[in-house]
Amino acid sequence: QYVLTQPPSASGTPGQRVTLSCSGRSSNIGSNYVYWYQQLPGAAPKLLIYRNNQRPSGVPDRFSGSKSGTSASLAISGLRSEDEADYYCAAWDDGLSGPWVFGGGTKLTVL
Amino acid sequence: QLQLQESGPGLVKPSETLALTCTVSGGSISSSTYYWGWIRQPPGKGLEWIGCISYTGNTYYNPSLKRRVTISLDMSKNQFSLRLSSVTAADTAIYYCARSGAVAGIDFWGQGTLVPVSS
Repeated sequence: QYVLTQPPSASGTPGQRVTLSCSGRSSNIGSNYVYWYQQLPGAAPKLLIYRNNQRPSGVPDRFSGSKSGTSASLAISGLRSEDEADYYCAAWDDGLSGPWVFGGGTKLTVL
Repeated sequence: QLQLQESGPGLVKPSETLALTCTVSGGSISSSTYYWGWIRQPPGKGLEWIGCISYTGNTYYNPSLKRRVTISLDMSKNQFSLRLSSVTAADTAIYYCARSGAVAGIDFWGQGTLVPVSS
C-alpha cells in the first residue's frame, strides 16, 4: 500500500540509540533525497530531516539521517521519552507513483 | 512565522464533493520558491500525498486520486483549495495543507482537519 517500506514498530530505552529504516526503489530513494517526519500523538507531522541528512533549525543533533542506494535510515541517539512518536520517511518519486511518496510509518516506543 | 490553517465542512456525504481551503499567513503563496499542497491521513493510518500547486498554477496530483482531485489558488486571499469529488467512506481522513520546496521538501504543515464521510 505504501511505496516506501518502514517497519511498523520499534522500541528503545532512555539513553539508547535506535535506528529506523526506510526502503524504496531506484525511482524514489535511489535517485532523490529522503525526508523524515516526526508525528507526536494528536499533532501534525514535523520535518525532522531533509535532503537525506540535513536538520532544520531547532531539531536536536540527536537526530541524524543517512542514505545508501535505495535505503535510508534515521538514527536517534540519547533516546528520550518525548521521542515516542510516529516517524515517516518520504521521497520524490520519478515513476508512476509520484511525485511525493511516503512510508507507512514506524511507531517508536520508549520503554 | 509561517502558518497554515485548514477550513471546511466538518462532514461530507458519500458521493458528494469534499472542499477545503487553506489560509496562509506569515508568507505569500505567490512565492516562486514553493509549492502548496495537501496530504491526508486516515484515522490510525499513515500519510498519503494528494497533490500540490505552484504559484503559476501548475499542478501535480497523486496518480491514484488524479481523476477526482482539483487544487487551485486564490492569490487575492492568500489561500489555496482542495476539491475531491465522489467521496466514499475511504476518504475519511485528517486533511493537512502544507508547503513544499526544492530544498527542504514538505517543510510546513497546517494543524489538520478531520473530515468524516458519512450519510
